[in-house]
Amino acid sequence: QKEVEQNSGPLSVPEGAIASLNCTYSDRGSQSFFWYRQYSGKSPELIMFIYSNGDKEDGRFTAQLNKASQYVSLLIRDSQPSDSATYLCAVDGGSEYGNKLVFGAGTILRVKS
Amino acid sequence: GAVVSQHPSRVICKSGTSVKIECRSLDFQATTMFWYRQFPKQSLMLMATSNEGSKATYEQGVEKDKFLINHASLTLSTLTVTSAHPEDSSFYICSARLYLTDTQYFGPGTRLTVL
Repeated sequence: QKEVEQNSGPLSVPEGAIASLNCTYSDRGSQSFFWYRQYSGKSPELIMFIYSNGDKEDGRFTAQLNKASQYVSLLIRDSQPSDSATYLCAVDGGSEYGNKLVFGAGTILRVKS
Repeated sequence: GAVVSQHPSRVICKSGTSVKIECRSLDFQATTMFWYRQFPKQSLMLMATSNEGSKATYEQGVEKDKFLINHASLTLSTLTVTSAHPEDSSFYICSARLYLTDTQYFGPGTRLTVL
């Protein structure tokens, strides 16, 4: 059984601070990792994907992957109230799993102005 | 790029009727599409995997005769909720897997209300 674990939160940060969202996964063979943002009542939106160990930056977002520790994180710099949402960590299950994504339960982020 | 559309965005129907929801990848080919359902304040629940030109694969507990899925082309998958009942009221979301990658892009969702 492939599992993805996230702290459900809520994680509260002040406007302008760095928000750090964390995720662990159970399948050591996982290759592809994704962060989605979901606003209340809306569908998930892809924020970042990462395949290799290390950091990947895109604007205010940085994804970090450590395959040895089976750990993925998302950093949001200069957090804005508009970043308040649920952040879903997802791991691709691979072809033997029908290429389905395994999602964590999501972390609620609240950015206070 | 990588835009997925769904139609309709919202539908209200009477109990016992059937509702068809379309999912289209607008600017890319998607050999695989996925259908999810999400109840208020709950996690996404995968219903089925739809592969172009073949039968859909349903998750355990999902009635394949009630939720008919057709993936007739590389850009279109449809979900038909047959004989809908109030308990089928939910937010239905599709995603499309970008061809030759692992990346899934989600549609905006369809909110179904069955009276």
